[in-house]
Amino acid sequence: AQTVTQSQPEMSVQEAETVTLSCTYDTSESNYYLFWYKQPPSRQMILVIRQEAYKQQNATENRFSVNFQKAAKSFSLKISDSQLGDTAMYFCASRGGGATNKLIFGTGTLLAVQP
Amino acid sequence: NAGVTQTPKFQVLKTGQSMTLQCAQDMNHEYMSWYRQDPGMGLRLIHYSVGAGITDQGEVPNGYNVSRSTTEDFPLRLLSAAPSQTSVYFCASSYTFWTGKETQYFGPGTRLLVL
Repeated sequence: AQTVTQSQPEMSVQEAETVTLSCTYDTSESNYYLFWYKQPPSRQMILVIRQEAYKQQNATENRFSVNFQKAAKSFSLKISDSQLGDTAMYFCASRGGGATNKLIFGTGTLLAVQP
Repeated sequence: NAGVTQTPKFQVLKTGQSMTLQCAQDMNHEYMSWYRQDPGMGLRLIHYSVGAGITDQGEVPNGYNVSRSTTEDFPLRLLSAAPSQTSVYFCASSYTFWTGKETQYFGPGTRLLVL
């Protein structure tokens, strides 16, 4: 069974600063994928970044990067140069491969970017 | 492409009423799924489909039925609504599912209130 844990219900950061959101996971899959999704007040779910577990290199997408520690089963999201538009709920998720793979979400971290 | 569309955006039901939440995608995606989002619980998988005519249960299937007669449509039926089904419902799709890495595209969500 897969589980995803986000231990920070809420976080706050000043505009232009850097913030890191934590996520730990557990899975019995040998090949799996990890995701960070953003949910702004509009409620739309938006993919922020994706990491393939077999790749050692950490994924980056512009101001967003991850710190993937496979042995520790940790997958944190770093947001650099925070912007007001980054204010949202952020969900960590994992998904295995195969016919019955399912996307399992954590409980989310509400990030507020302060001006 | 319209992406993933959901109707209605908001619905109020009385206990015991039935209704169907509609979901459609125009991207020729094989995989479609339904999630519910409740405060403090992230998104939980209700049902999913890996192709037309094929559906299976997720984490929280009780009280919900699905069918997939076409690639494009994946309706979610509540046969006898209960207050515990008050939630925000998201439909999502991805091109396929075998490797797990495919990006899931989410619809805008349906807010359901059961009185």
